[in-house]
Amino acid sequence: GENVEQHPSTLSVQEGDSAVIKCTYSDSASNYFPWYKQELGKRPQLIIDIRSNVGEKKDQRIAVTLNKTAKHFSLHITETQPEDSAVYFCAASRTDSWGKFQFGAGTQVVVTP
Amino acid sequence: SAVISQKPSRDICQRGTSLTIQCQVDSQVTMMFWYRQQPGQSLTLIATANQGSEATYESGFVIDKFPISRPNLTFSTLTVSNMSPEDSSIYLCSVYRDSNYGYTFGSGTRLTVV
Repeated sequence: GENVEQHPSTLSVQEGDSAVIKCTYSDSASNYFPWYKQELGKRPQLIIDIRSNVGEKKDQRIAVTLNKTAKHFSLHITETQPEDSAVYFCAASRTDSWGKFQFGAGTQVVVTP
Repeated sequence: SAVISQKPSRDICQRGTSLTIQCQVDSQVTMMFWYRQQPGQSLTLIATANQGSEATYESGFVIDKFPISRPNLTFSTLTVSNMSPEDSSIYLCSVYRDSNYGYTFGSGTRLTVV
């Protein structure tokens, strides 16, 4: 089955700097890769996703890149703000298993003013 | 687009008892998913709830421990049976909402077993 590894487990950045979180996956049939943000005590919220027919997707300060050959994808947050502090999870899924996600272990991001 | 309500939001239960968690969606959805999030951990898929057929369980999860009902296309329940402290977790249901929100999670049920 699919295995998703996520690094780093914790990330501390100064406000205004960039943050990058990387995930690798094992199942070459995976073709949908969402990123979720989970604030303390709240549900995970989708912040951006990418499908395997696209190499990069951007939404304001957030971008995701996908390298299908290497089987890894990354989340980039630019101009970080204190409200970006949260746990971020990457996930992978395949077309024949829509909604069945294998999640990474999560990255605790702390943005210090 | 589907909005999910989940209840109870939290509960403290005695070991050996069972708790049923409800997930209500405001529009019909084909599949509903149940996840577990142990304290400080990631999310793990328990099972897929299918309307009109038995749930499909992931490795490590069994129907006797986590029976699931899916009586219609807007509702599902997950029961945590014969609970032990190791079952203390957040349980979340998930459905596909739309292309903007993707797969959306319910607010979760924080279960503590004492």
